[in-house]
Amino acid sequence: DADVTQTPRNRITKTGKRIMLECSQTKGHDRMYWYRQDPGLGLRLIYYSFDVKDINKGEISDGYSVSRQAQAKFSLSLESAIPNQTALYFCATSDFAFQTSGDHNEQFFGPGTRLTVL
Amino acid sequence: ELKVEQNPLFLSMQEGKNYTIYCNYSTTSDRLYWYRQDPGKSLESLFVLLSNGAVKQEGRLMASLDTKARLSTLHITAAVHDLSATYFCAVTYAGGTSYGKLTFGQGTILTVHP
Repeated sequence: DADVTQTPRNRITKTGKRIMLECSQTKGHDRMYWYRQDPGLGLRLIYYSFDVKDINKGEISDGYSVSRQAQAKFSLSLESAIPNQTALYFCATSDFAFQTSGDHNEQFFGPGTRLTVL
Repeated sequence: ELKVEQNPLFLSMQEGKNYTIYCNYSTTSDRLYWYRQDPGKSLESLFVLLSNGAVKQEGRLMASLDTKARLSTLHITAAVHDLSATYFCAVTYAGGTSYGKLTFGQGTILTVHP
């Protein structure tokens, strides 16, 4: 089974609708992230959470909100979807480590959700 | 603000040839990552570079890091079709509450032709 899962994998919706994308992980990591990918722009960070009680805005958080329901679950919501939110969305997880040897905060990505807003 | 720039953004190679992808970043960082993405797929970690002068190799790919120049390179040796993919570099900002956040480059779309 995949360590990081996302649901749904594909979604088509209309402008103004509320959408929730869900992410679950079995890696036991404390840190979770939401990114969006647009052609030519790489991945941009929307929100991140370093533990269950910690939520932080990334570089493009406007129009999005998140909820960290448990260590293993991190949801992204679009309260009122608009067409320029059409993108590929990735969830990622990492384990915190100060040490430079061994574990090094590498991020592991889910399979992605392709969202189309008409 | 940390910025990461890759070049080239598009790379068309013949099989058997060598080439290098460059990744420049704008502020101090202590970790640099290279990822691969196949079309329609997720990101797969290739390399993690942790210190100045670090060099890692896996098959036909070799990555290096020069923290003084704020530059990483991904060198492709004797390219084969299976290496066709999009390659991203990503950098973490060193220190403070941003520790662990990744900033990505735009990605380099590599196509290897027979």
